[in-house]
Amino acid sequence: GAVVSQHPSRVICKSGTSVKIECRSLDFQATTMFWYRQFPKQSLMLMATSNEGSKATYEQGVEKDKFLINHASLTLSTLTVASAHPEDSSFYICSASRLAGNNEQFFGPGTRLTVL
Amino acid sequence: SQKIEQNSEALNIQEGKTATLTCNYTNYSPAYLQWYRQDPGRGPVFLLLIRENEKEKRKERLKVTFDTTLKQSLFHITASQPADSATYLCALKGGGNKLTFGTGTQLKVEL
Repeated sequence: GAVVSQHPSRVICKSGTSVKIECRSLDFQATTMFWYRQFPKQSLMLMATSNEGSKATYEQGVEKDKFLINHASLTLSTLTVASAHPEDSSFYICSASRLAGNNEQFFGPGTRLTVL
Repeated sequence: SQKIEQNSEALNIQEGKTATLTCNYTNYSPAYLQWYRQDPGRGPVFLLLIRENEKEKRKERLKVTFDTTLKQSLFHITASQPADSATYLCALKGGGNKLTFGTGTQLKVEL
């Protein structure tokens, strides 16, 4: 149990386009979902925390108008990178935690974004 | 400022030996600490959680210690196997359910 999926796993796009990444909890209801970004050889950096039905809380330095997060249901959160540029190229990973449990986060497999 | 430090140099050990990885932190009072495994191009996979009032936790070949006085956690893999080769991340719980990750230590287990 506690499986989190992400789609797509890999995306290549031209500069200026918007990219949507989906994060789904497949077999549990996720009260909170988290979005991270990881550059090569670096740690995961938390971008934002989202709770179902409410606005996401963004970390300092993360532009909310550029990284749009929608947490429409207890099993789905989406991250849209608006007008992506090459510096947005990174590995984006979501995680989900459930209502019952010890606050453990279950991570998705990640999405590799390459902006040309 | 808050810091989580893991040895950035890769740890190379022989199969069958015990691997020990270190996580040091400053300016935190974490309620718990977690260890994750990450393979290249994949998301982290949860391994173990240890709470502030626990000294040691075990799971199969894995052992984690947590010294809140030293502000350090040690992660041990006994009888290591080549399949244990990966990057291991420690993470501390911050405000709310937020986790802050260390940069990870790459472990290579050689035959």
